[in-house]
Amino acid sequence: SQELEQSPQSLIVQEGKNLTINCTSSKTLYGLYWYKQKYGEGLIFLMMLQKGGEEKSHEKITAKLDEKKQQSSLHITASQPSHAGIYLCGAVIQGAQKLVFGQGTRLTINP
Amino acid sequence: NAGVTQTPKFRVLKTGQSMTLLCAQDMNHEYMYWYRQDPGMGLRLIHYSVGEGTTAKGEVPDGYNVSRLKKQNFLLGLESAAPSQTSVYFCASKPGTGTYEQYFGPGTRLTVT
Repeated sequence: SQELEQSPQSLIVQEGKNLTINCTSSKTLYGLYWYKQKYGEGLIFLMMLQKGGEEKSHEKITAKLDEKKQQSSLHITASQPSHAGIYLCGAVIQGAQKLVFGQGTRLTINP
Repeated sequence: NAGVTQTPKFRVLKTGQSMTLLCAQDMNHEYMYWYRQDPGMGLRLIHYSVGEGTTAKGEVPDGYNVSRLKKQNFLLGLESAAPSQTSVYFCASKPGTGTYEQYFGPGTRLTVT
């Protein structure tokens, strides 16, 4: 079973719409990293969250780590074609010494 | 700085053939990783290294070997390729302890027929 669960696994939205991707763990998260991957390319670091309740924004992307530090959400406002790609969350989970990754969310933006 | 580079970008192998994937980083990072990415599975750690001359097994090490003879290079070897090893392989590196942020290469798409 996946230690980090991402939902949804696939998402198709119309350009201009808002969307949310979730990353959930059954254990406490110590450091949550969001990455974006475009087809044929490597992973690009987006944001890191460490403290419960922390929220960070970059352009139209906002990520939050809930108070209990077991879930993070990534919210995109007014989506654009440039937002299309695969979004992965990576986290240091209680008891682990390395990053573990979710299975990814494939985002498609329709014009 | 080139960051993390991977060679080759694409490769097709026949079952039983061998090959080596090369990862190079110019950031003087201590830690290096090899992952494979499969649909619906996310990234799974194959092997990693915490410094020159060291290697350790990750989540899915079977069928792979690695070497870290130089700090800047991390090699992933497939001795006898199998169709189950068809995947996209990513290399990553990070400076050392104190951060878990990893820097990724562009990936190698490997197909085993």
